Amino acid sequence: AQKVTQAQTEISVVEKEDVTLDCVYETRDTTYYLFWYKQPPSGELVFLIRRNSFDEQNEISGRYSWNFQKSTSSFNFTITASQVVDSAVYFCALSDNGGYNKLIFGAGTRLAVHP
Amino acid sequence: EPEVTQTPSHQVTQMGQEVILRCVPISNHLYFYWYRQILGQKVEFLVSFYNNEISEKSEIFDDQFSVERPDGSNFTLKIRSTKLEDSAMYFCASSEQGGRSDEQYFGPGTRLTVT
Repeated sequence: AQKVTQAQTEISVVEKEDVTLDCVYETRDTTYYLFWYKQPPSGELVFLIRRNSFDEQNEISGRYSWNFQKSTSSFNFTITASQVVDSAVYFCALSDNGGYNKLIFGAGTRLAVHP
Repeated sequence: EPEVTQTPSHQVTQMGQEVILRCVPISNHLYFYWYRQILGQKVEFLVSFYNNEISEKSEIFDDQFSVERPDGSNFTLKIRSTKLEDSAMYFCASSEQGGRSDEQYFGPGTRLTVT
């Protein structure tokens, strides 16, 4: 069965702290894709990154980095030197052979960055 | 940059009434989706649509729901007889192709309130 677990419901940090958002997934497929989306207070869903199951290289984009580990079925997201504008709900999502390319979302982690 | 648009941004309706939520996907995209997010909860897949027919639907997408592409640009979600529990944010998304890797572009959402 497909499942995405984001165990951290809410995280609160002070500006400039580093923060890691955890994501653990379950799938029977060997080929799958993982995504992170950001949902700011305005409500829209903003695509952040896509990673396929064959590419375990970590990725860095500015202050954002992602650590994909197949051995632990995890795809964690780190924000370095957090800023108030990073305050949002972050969703991890999975797409596999289970059904076309529907996205299976985790419950989300609400990140609050305080000045 | 092309984007998915949705109207209205907020719809209030009485229980038992029919509602139609409208979406204009990105023009060269072929795959369309509806997701919903009950307040404070995760984003859930409702239905995917390709070549004028439903590709996949979730358990949530029962006989009260239907989708249609009435012309070359709009993609609609109809709820025949709304219930209180249909209150949620409804997101439309589109993708260029239907592969698992394909990024889905989300619209800003329609907040449906059923009273």
